[in-house]
Amino acid sequence: ETGVTQTPRHLVMGMTNKKSLKCEQHLGHNAMYWYKQSAKKPLELMFVYSLEERVENNSVPSRFSPECPNSSHLFLHLHTLQPEDSALYLCASSPRLAGGGETQYFGPGTRLLVL
Amino acid sequence: EDQVTQSPEALRLQEGESSSLNCSYTVSGLRGLFWYRQDPGKGPEFLFTLYSAGEEKEKERLKATLTKKESFLHITAPKPEDSATYLCAVQAGGTASKLTFGTGTRLQVTL
Repeated sequence: ETGVTQTPRHLVMGMTNKKSLKCEQHLGHNAMYWYKQSAKKPLELMFVYSLEERVENNSVPSRFSPECPNSSHLFLHLHTLQPEDSALYLCASSPRLAGGGETQYFGPGTRLLVL
Repeated sequence: EDQVTQSPEALRLQEGESSSLNCSYTVSGLRGLFWYRQDPGKGPEFLFTLYSAGEEKEKERLKATLTKKESFLHITAPKPEDSATYLCAVQAGGTASKLTFGTGTRLQVTL
């Protein structure tokens, strides 16, 4: 595997379900991100992790719970979601933080549908 | 607050018909401006990073330029395989590498 991978690629869940999205990066990067992409809207940053420590939480509802067990893996745990949470969830990684123009590389995304 | 505006929202070109996409931005302390290409149902694919006004980068039929207020993505003699949504994003100074994205330009190239 190369780059950034995400599983599953598609997910349908009911509002009472609990599911998890997985992201793995094979680039040796130290920072990882979760984004949400809804139709007709710009990508929205949800969470930022650097060396397994959460450094940013962009006012995301508590029904989304991130986990970063090591610098290569990132999870997004989902529970009691709403239909408006249906979107493409994208994971990205970059060599490091520091706001110094670091390029972020994206995975293919998980298309989530909440019924 | 950082802002990115892309225009046009959609663009239809014939094969070989060159054009430009615009990305206007307002940011405090630009650290980088990024262009990505996104195909339907896929994640954004990195194209270019520009760091300072006057900088230009090229890749095949694409050329990105940067001024203090906007960036252009020039597409020369496009082919149908260039059809995609092109996203622009900016990064300001700070401790987290937050990208602020525009809504993209959806490009369709026809034969």
